[in-house]
Amino acid sequence: QVQLQESGPRLVRPSETLTLTCGVSGTSITSASVSIVFFWTWFRRSPGKGLEWIGSIHPSGLTFHNPSVISRVKLSTDKIGNQFSLTFLSVTAADTAVYYCAKDYFSNARRPTVFDVWGQGTLVTVSA
Amino acid sequence: QSVLTQSPSASGTPGQRVTISCTGSDSNIGKNGVSWYRHLPGTAPKLLIFLSDVRPSGVPDRFSGSRSGTSASLTIRGLQPDDESDYFCSTWDDTLNGPVFGGGTRLTV
Repeated sequence: QVQLQESGPRLVRPSETLTLTCGVSGTSITSASVSIVFFWTWFRRSPGKGLEWIGSIHPSGLTFHNPSVISRVKLSTDKIGNQFSLTFLSVTAADTAVYYCAKDYFSNARRPTVFDVWGQGTLVTVSA
Repeated sequence: QSVLTQSPSASGTPGQRVTISCTGSDSNIGKNGVSWYRHLPGTAPKLLIFLSDVRPSGVPDRFSGSRSGTSASLTIRGLQPDDESDYFCSTWDDTLNGPVFGGGTRLTV
């Protein structure tokens, strides 16, 4: 059973950099078999708002980013640690949200479309 | 403002059927399958429907989905108190080149 767990700081000061990590268990984020390789994705949900896609990364290096944050976001994978990370530059109060990581349902997909396993989420507050 | 449009709220009584709608455009729902998720803040979102009308293993058949043109809907039969949650539609948007979501519908039972 695949499980995801987000980790990172709960409080970040404005203009600083936020780095979150998603630990993956139950599957490898990289595989010698292309038939079981997935996109790995970050979302967030701000207070009183809906879910927002941030970006997705494939172990091949292919990435997709939400245009609204593309200039401030970097995605990466850690094959040894079996985890993937989100780095968010120059955060503001508007970046306060619960951040979720998720796995794509389809293996060997061309793009991330359906998300069947999610982490519990981690609340990040941006405040001085 | 969300790319996909959902009514902010819906309600029903136990045992009833409720339908939640999601409206998009030619660049998203008009061309791509729709997924539905339920989400209670503080918990992990759960996939209910994908490819517009397919239930993942483990999702009760009380949940069903459909798509027509640039709209999609989620129907829940036999409402249960535990169905109280926020429900989101999602699909791929060819203009954004990424997945998009509706603003969510809060279902009260």
